Amino acid sequence: AQSVTQLDSHVSVSEGTPVLLRCNYSSSYSPSLFWYVQHPNKGLQLLLKYTSAATLVKGINGFEAEFKKSETSFHLTKPSAHMSDAAEYFCVVSENDSWGKLQFGAGTQVVVTP
Amino acid sequence: GAVVSQHPSWVICKSGTSVKIECRSLDFQATTMFWYRQFPKQSLMLMATSNEGSKATYEQGVEKDKFLINHASLTLSTLTVTSAHPEDSSFYICSARILTAEEQFFGPGTRLTVL
Repeated sequence: AQSVTQLDSHVSVSEGTPVLLRCNYSSSYSPSLFWYVQHPNKGLQLLLKYTSAATLVKGINGFEAEFKKSETSFHLTKPSAHMSDAAEYFCVVSENDSWGKLQFGAGTQVVVTP
Repeated sequence: GAVVSQHPSWVICKSGTSVKIECRSLDFQATTMFWYRQFPKQSLMLMATSNEGSKATYEQGVEKDKFLINHASLTLSTLTVTSAHPEDSSFYICSARILTAEEQFFGPGTRLTVL
């Protein structure tokens, strides 16, 4: 069975400061891990994905995440927040034998203040 | 990039009526499509997985007779909410996947309000 826990339901950062969104996962098999972003009234957009290649994954819009198997974590970071980063972020896990079924975390709401 | 569309983007209906939501992959053939439900301020919950030409696989707790899914072609899947009730009001999101890819491409969602 697979599951994912996002440790923060709400994160508030100032524009220009670093962003850290925490995610821990549980998986019986080798997982694939994703971060998606959802802006209000828009579809989910893939930020980045880990599929057993490099453990440090770079995504779009300056985001990156590091897969740490020993800590079962896949935290998302960005060095400098932009106002346009305000959105809901979902950490997602998929097991390689689950025919593509995704398990979503509860989400983290990011607020960026000027 | 791969684009998935949904129609309609929002719909309001009376209690007891049925509503059909379409999900289309516009520039690729989707071997598998997924339907999710998202309540306000909550995460996405997978409802069902559908493969082209076969019956959908529903997640535990999802009524297959209430949420009818048809995946008649490699570019179209439909979700019909039958005899809708106010508690069915939600945001319904579809996604599509190519057989050889891990990634799912998501539609923009359909907001259903049942009065």
